[in-house]
Amino acid sequence: GAGVSQSPSNKVTEKGKDVELRCDPISGHTALYWYRQSLGQGLEFLIYFQGNSAPDKSGLPSDRFSAERTGGSVSTLTIQRTQQEDSAVYLCASSVDRGKNTEAFFGQGTRLTVV
Amino acid sequence: QQQVKQSPQSLIVQKGGISIINCAYENTAFDYFPWYQQFPGKGPALLIAIRPDVSEKKEGRFTISFNKSAKQFSLHIMDSQPGDSATYFCAASYSSASKIIFGSGTRLSIRP
Repeated sequence: GAGVSQSPSNKVTEKGKDVELRCDPISGHTALYWYRQSLGQGLEFLIYFQGNSAPDKSGLPSDRFSAERTGGSVSTLTIQRTQQEDSAVYLCASSVDRGKNTEAFFGQGTRLTVV
Repeated sequence: QQQVKQSPQSLIVQKGGISIINCAYENTAFDYFPWYQQFPGKGPALLIAIRPDVSEKKEGRFTISFNKSAKQFSLHIMDSQPGDSATYFCAASYSSASKIIFGSGTRLSIRP
C-alpha cells in the first residue's frame, strides 16, 4: 500500500561521475514518468514508460541521460558524466493505465547535487 | 503549442482571502487539466482536476474555472488558510499522448 518510492533521497556526486536514481512505482501502475525540478522552477518532463510500449524519451536533455524500466515495475534513471547543471530534484511518478483516470502519484524525489 | 503558461510566479494573500492562480494553453487536444500542490521537500500531489466538458468544478474550498474558448483555466482557493501555503502547478495532458505538461508554478504564501 506504499506510495512511489525513490532512492536515494539525496545524492552528492563529483562532476564527471555517473549516477543512478531508482524509482519503485505503486504496484499495478503501468505508467511511469520521470521529471526534473530545478531550484524554484517547474517540472521538466524527461521520459515516460507505458506498459510494453516504446518509452517516450523526448524530454531527455542529452545523450548522457538514459532510463530503463525492468519487468514493467522498477525504473532507473542514469546520468553519465554528470555536470553541475544536472543538479536538481529528480521526481518519479506513476499512474494507472491512461484513460479516465490519469492522476499521477509522485515520489518525494532524489535531490542530486553535482560538485 | 505544448506549453502551459502560469501566473503569477508568486502570490501573497491574507488569511481568509481568495487566492487566484491562472493558466493558459494553446493545444486544443488537451483534455485533462489537473492542479498539483507541492509542499517543501515533498513531491507534488493532485489537488483537483477538470475536463473541458464542464466550466467549473468545486471541491471544498478549491474551485477550477475553465474557459474553453479562451483556452484558460484558473484555481480559486476560498477562505485561504496558512496551511494552504505551498507551490501550485497547473498541468495539461491528452489521452493519446504520454506526458503531462506542467506550468512553471506559483508560490503561494498565506499571511496569518
